[in-house]
Amino acid sequence: GESVGLHLPTLSVQEGDNSIINCAYSNSASDYFIWYKQESGKGPQFIIDIRSNMDKRQGQRVTVLLNKTVKHLSLQIAATQPGDSAVYFCAEKSGTGNQFYFGTGTSLTVIP
Amino acid sequence: DAGVTQSPTHLIKTRGQQVTLRCSPKSGHDTVSWYQQALGQGPQFIFQYYEEEERQRGNFPDRFSGHQFPNYSSELNVNALLLGDSALYLCASSAGTALYGYTFGSGTRLTVV
Repeated sequence: GESVGLHLPTLSVQEGDNSIINCAYSNSASDYFIWYKQESGKGPQFIIDIRSNMDKRQGQRVTVLLNKTVKHLSLQIAATQPGDSAVYFCAEKSGTGNQFYFGTGTSLTVIP
Repeated sequence: DAGVTQSPTHLIKTRGQQVTLRCSPKSGHDTVSWYQQALGQGPQFIFQYYEEEERQRGNFPDRFSGHQFPNYSSELNVNALLLGDSALYLCASSAGTALYGYTFGSGTRLTVV
């Protein structure tokens, strides 16, 4: 089966600082990854994605880094804001399936 | 443009009962996937429907079944409810076989007592 896990279950950062959320995956055949943000009482919200043929992808205030050698994914949030407080999940998809495998999640708390 | 809508938002059922959850996909999407999210956990894939057929299934027992209608909306049915079925049930829609643009609804919170 698939295994997607996060290194830290909780993360607290000061407002304005940068945040880094890490994720390890076990399936070397995974070819597509998404970071999701989930606020309390809501469904997961797409943040940024990356294909396995890329190492880095940038969005607005967010960057995803993919290291296929060690099967590691990270999400960097620049100038973290209180509205960034949420649980963050990485999800992977292997080439053969039509489903995503999610990790347990990291709870990010931004301290004003 | 409405996103993915799910109903009801909350539901309380008694152990042994049956429940039906509903999902309307985002406009332009024809594929619906269902996930179960236990408290403090990431979503777990239940199954996916496309062209009114179950295309793929996760590791869930036969008590979990589904249906997709011609208008692409979908239902998730759970029979013989167990306390462990208490969770947030999420529906995600997408277009065809593509997983890009995968959009989640806000979910149905099911509590089994």
